[in-house]
Amino acid sequence: EAQVTQNPRYLITVTGKKLTVTCSQNMNHEYMSWYRQDPGLGLRQIYYSMNVEVTDKGDVPEGYKVSRKEKRNFPLILESPSPNQTSLYFCASNDRQMRPGELFFGEGSRLTVL
Amino acid sequence: GNSVTQMEGPVTLSEEAFLTINCTYTATGYPSLFWYVQYPGEGLQLLLKATKADDKGSNKGFEATYRKETTSFHLEKGSVQVSDSAVYFCALSSFQKLVFGTGTRLLVSP
Repeated sequence: EAQVTQNPRYLITVTGKKLTVTCSQNMNHEYMSWYRQDPGLGLRQIYYSMNVEVTDKGDVPEGYKVSRKEKRNFPLILESPSPNQTSLYFCASNDRQMRPGELFFGEGSRLTVL
Repeated sequence: GNSVTQMEGPVTLSEEAFLTINCTYTATGYPSLFWYVQYPGEGLQLLLKATKADDKGSNKGFEATYRKETTSFHLEKGSVQVSDSAVYFCALSSFQKLVFGTGTRLLVSP
């Protein structure tokens, strides 16, 4: 089954404690991206990756890091989380050549930073 | 910059009522337009899309027409069901990303 898998789905942590949200896709997609969803703001792009070892900032990259060492994985790293990073996070992937703009989303990771 | 504006929700309807969710956009060039749906506890799923002016996207009884002259892409359905209750997002394609509206929650009661 084609899917994007995120872990953890739910996490409560404290300010400053480094954490990683993993994302994996099994569709051999080159493009992957992270979004955060906040009430009244919709979804905003954090980072994206066009391919292995190619990443770039989205609209709200501050406080986040990413890496793309393998095609299937695109982890989101919060080096020193702060309360304003409390949000619902979505990973997405896309076959840009065949279906531009058609993102496949994971189920989301709800993060609370105390 | 590119942006999408959606009507505020929630939209509350009775089963079999007609649905319209308004979406307008601001963009340079001619982006592709999308509607995504988010069911409770799930990620977003593509509902329909249109890639050029006057295109009509359709899926599961939902329709939306790409109107360049009014920069709109309103979502419609002739007869909603309880199972359509969800949050609907309008989006446009921009450089290396989708730009989303804020979402409109639809609540359908029996």
